[in-house]
Amino acid sequence: NAGVMQNPRHLVRRRGQEARLRCSPMKGHSHVYWYRQLPEEGLKFMVYLQKENIIDESGMPKERFSAEFPKEGPSILRIQQVVRGDSAAYFCASSISRGLNTEAFFGQGTRLTVV
Amino acid sequence: AQSVTQLDSQVPVFEEAPVELRCNYSSSVSVYLFWYVQYPNQGLQLLLKYLSGSTLVKGINGFEAEFNKSQTSFHLRKPSVHISDTAEYFCAVGLNTNAGKSTFGDGTTLTVKP
Repeated sequence: NAGVMQNPRHLVRRRGQEARLRCSPMKGHSHVYWYRQLPEEGLKFMVYLQKENIIDESGMPKERFSAEFPKEGPSILRIQQVVRGDSAAYFCASSISRGLNTEAFFGQGTRLTVV
Repeated sequence: AQSVTQLDSQVPVFEEAPVELRCNYSSSVSVYLFWYVQYPNQGLQLLLKYLSGSTLVKGINGFEAEFNKSQTSFHLRKPSVHISDTAEYFCAVGLNTNAGKSTFGDGTTLTVKP
């Protein structure tokens, strides 16, 4: 059973370009969470999605960032018109449900560098 | 809202010495508590978690942590560390109503020296 798969592992974008980060949850998991880790900091929650729905986007920047989790295919975190401050590691986690005793499993992350 | 404070950003220790990584949290509701380890350029691996019950939690790789409600702490310990334990360690609190939405501390870098 493969774990949470994120791709690409490393992504370099020039300022003003778009970045698309993909996350395939573990088999049978329908809940996905995106986190951002800035250099020398811990992970910060961005958004929580279930299939086709955004449940909690309280950690998402108001502009340029969007996320989706379609019925088929991976979850996508999209950053438009990237700036240097977007350089970070972006982690995805998935869980089978959201309730008691459920564990979220993390992917290996996508490291975005904006030049 | 929840918050997590990891009291030490860097902890250097010699191999086979004991280590304690400190974590304090604040929350107005019941929470889960987690410790994760992150090796360079890798994702997060769950070391252990506290959900309820016994306040002493044992995890993988010989680590354990003790939940202290009165002191709102969840310190991580290992009696004898190895070079391979060198990594970044994160303490996190999660809501008991949502498995994956957690608040993380800023991390503690454990460096084990020979």
